Amino acid sequence: AQSVTQPDIHITVSEGASLELRCNYSYGATPYLFWYVQSPGQGLQLLLKYFSGDTLVQGIKGFEAEFKRSQSSFNLRKPSVHWSDAAEYFCAVSNSGYALNFGKGTSLLVTP
Amino acid sequence: SAVISQKPSRDICQRGTSLTIQCQVDSQVTMMFWYRQQPGQSLTLIATANQGSEATYESGFVIDKFPISRPNLTFSTLTVSNMSPEDSSIYLCSVSGTSYEQYFGPGTRLTVT
Repeated sequence: AQSVTQPDIHITVSEGASLELRCNYSYGATPYLFWYVQSPGQGLQLLLKYFSGDTLVQGIKGFEAEFKRSQSSFNLRKPSVHWSDAAEYFCAVSNSGYALNFGKGTSLLVTP
Repeated sequence: SAVISQKPSRDICQRGTSLTIQCQVDSQVTMMFWYRQQPGQSLTLIATANQGSEATYESGFVIDKFPISRPNLTFSTLTVSNMSPEDSSIYLCSVSGTSYEQYFGPGTRLTVT
């Protein structure tokens, strides 16, 4: 069955520290991959996407993600976290180019 | 990216009533989607709405409970019918972009008492 797994429900990092959020997927072929962020009381904002080509993709707000086919992973990274990055992060996958299948999300807490 | 608005932004409704949520897009789009986000949970697709055709519902969602209209390429509505407390959720509409990404509206926070 097709699935998206975000192993970490909560992550706490200090402001200025680096961040990596994990995402693994189980699909028959290379799907379309996305990361979204949801701030409290807000809708979802697209951070970045991967379809093909360079496996390291750059997104907005200083985020990047790396697609690793051998590990079926699409982890999100940021070199230095800001307090405003505290939010819920969702990995999403589509193999049809249409509907998205979301992971359960990772809640990021940033401490001073 | 498309700019999407939803009305209402939030509502508190009584059990057994219905609420219609509106989704307006600032440009014409082929596909629109409706998602539900239950408290503390991820997003679950309710249905896909294409203009001029019946909405396609995901497993576990039925038209009688969640009727959808798509009268034109910039507008859609989702009705939550005969509500119960279990329907308390955030309902989000989204539209497909040019490269299979989706852009989301701000959501409608529904509380059923």
